[in-house]
Amino acid sequence: EPEVTQTPSHQVTQMGQEVILRCVPISNHLYFYWYRQILGQKVEFLVSFYNNEISEKSEIFDDQFSVERPDGSNFTLKIRSTKLEDSAMYFCASSERLEEYFGPGTRLTVT
Amino acid sequence: QQQVKQSPQSLIVQKGGISIINCAYENTAFDYFPWYQQFPGKGPALLIAIRPDVSEKKEGRFTISFNKSAKQFSLHIMDSQPGDSATYFCAASMNAGNMLTFGGGTRLMVKP
Repeated sequence: EPEVTQTPSHQVTQMGQEVILRCVPISNHLYFYWYRQILGQKVEFLVSFYNNEISEKSEIFDDQFSVERPDGSNFTLKIRSTKLEDSAMYFCASSERLEEYFGPGTRLTVT
Repeated sequence: QQQVKQSPQSLIVQKGGISIINCAYENTAFDYFPWYQQFPGKGPALLIAIRPDVSEKKEGRFTISFNKSAKQFSLHIMDSQPGDSATYFCAASMNAGNMLTFGGGTRLMVKP
């Protein structure tokens, strides 16, 4: 069964450093998303991407964040200058239409 | 208006019992309501979903009940098993490609 994959599974970085989180969505899906989940809290939407552009973004997705689909398979989330409060699980998701399928997540720890 | 409120925050059920988790929403533009199951350290897994044109949907031991006029929906897990112990999230979205708005989650523990 096709699934969303994410790398790395865990990333530790120092405050102020740039990180890139990578995702390979399910191959025939058209919509791509990033969500985050701070430990023990609910899942929060960051951004959605369709037809090579951002279709929707939340207040969390400020100028420090960017997304890219550099080729036909990868979907990346970049955080330019990480802050302590960026520490969270980051989930990539993809959908063909309504049903969103989530990857296993990248645990980002900012020290 | 974008909020989805979920209750209870935690739930303990005996094996074989029925687990019931409730959600309420405000935005009448929502028209897709999925439930996700999440095990520790894993991503949310789509469990079952409903559109507002039906009042109930059943898949195996999992049933969603939907009350459009009350703007509420609930997940029922029949014959709950210890393997069902996980965190359950309700969510809502408007249409394809739109963000999911998640409820706060319910941590379910099924005791053997």
